[in-house]
Amino acid sequence: EVQLVVSGSGPGQPGGSLRLSCVASGFTFKNYWMFWVRQAPGEGLVWVSGINTSGTGTNYADSVKGRFTISRDNDKSTVYLQMNSLRAEDSALYYCVKSMRPFDSVGPSDYWGQGTLVTVSS
Amino acid sequence: QSALTQPRSVSGSPGQSVTISCTGTSSDVGGYNYVSWYQQYPGKAPTLMIFDVTKRPSGVPDRFSGSKSGNTASLTISGLQPEDEADYYCYSYAGTHNLFGGGTKLTVL
Repeated sequence: EVQLVVSGSGPGQPGGSLRLSCVASGFTFKNYWMFWVRQAPGEGLVWVSGINTSGTGTNYADSVKGRFTISRDNDKSTVYLQMNSLRAEDSALYYCVKSMRPFDSVGPSDYWGQGTLVTVSS
Repeated sequence: QSALTQPRSVSGSPGQSVTISCTGTSSDVGGYNYVSWYQQYPGKAPTLMIFDVTKRPSGVPDRFSGSKSGNTASLTISGLQPEDEADYYCYSYAGTHNLFGGGTKLTVL
């Protein structure tokens, strides 16, 4: 059974930092692109970032580029999201998401973690 | 990186059909056959309903179908059932990133 367990939620201060971790199990982690998607309360889904299978290729939404960094450790089956220079508008539920097809960055995602809430407030 | 455009809400009666549109540009929806649709119930993670414009994952009823014309993709739900009431999001590859639509709330009257 595929599982994506996210940790690292919590309050953050404007200008501060937080790191989210997502531990994967139930599939060959090193073969799949991984993504972070966020959803502010009562709002829609927003794609945040993606990382390739080796960790050498990443992409970001303009809204987080230069502030957030996605990375992965295939030995630990874990993907991370380092969030710096936090803003109030970064407050959202953050989902860890797995690509459906191996080595695929363009297609759909089939498994979503439970989501972790990040609140940025002074 | 503007979100894809979806109607805020649609509605239909049980047994009827509804179509939800998703409008982008030639750089995303129109440029690739990588449009997906997700269903989301309140407080739950999204579930994949359609991928690669027209394909259904196993377990998704064939009442759900997808299509695309130019820069606009569509999700059609036929034979509406009460359990179809949910939020629906389109999703597309856009070259260097991916995009979601703003979401559509489907109400089954």
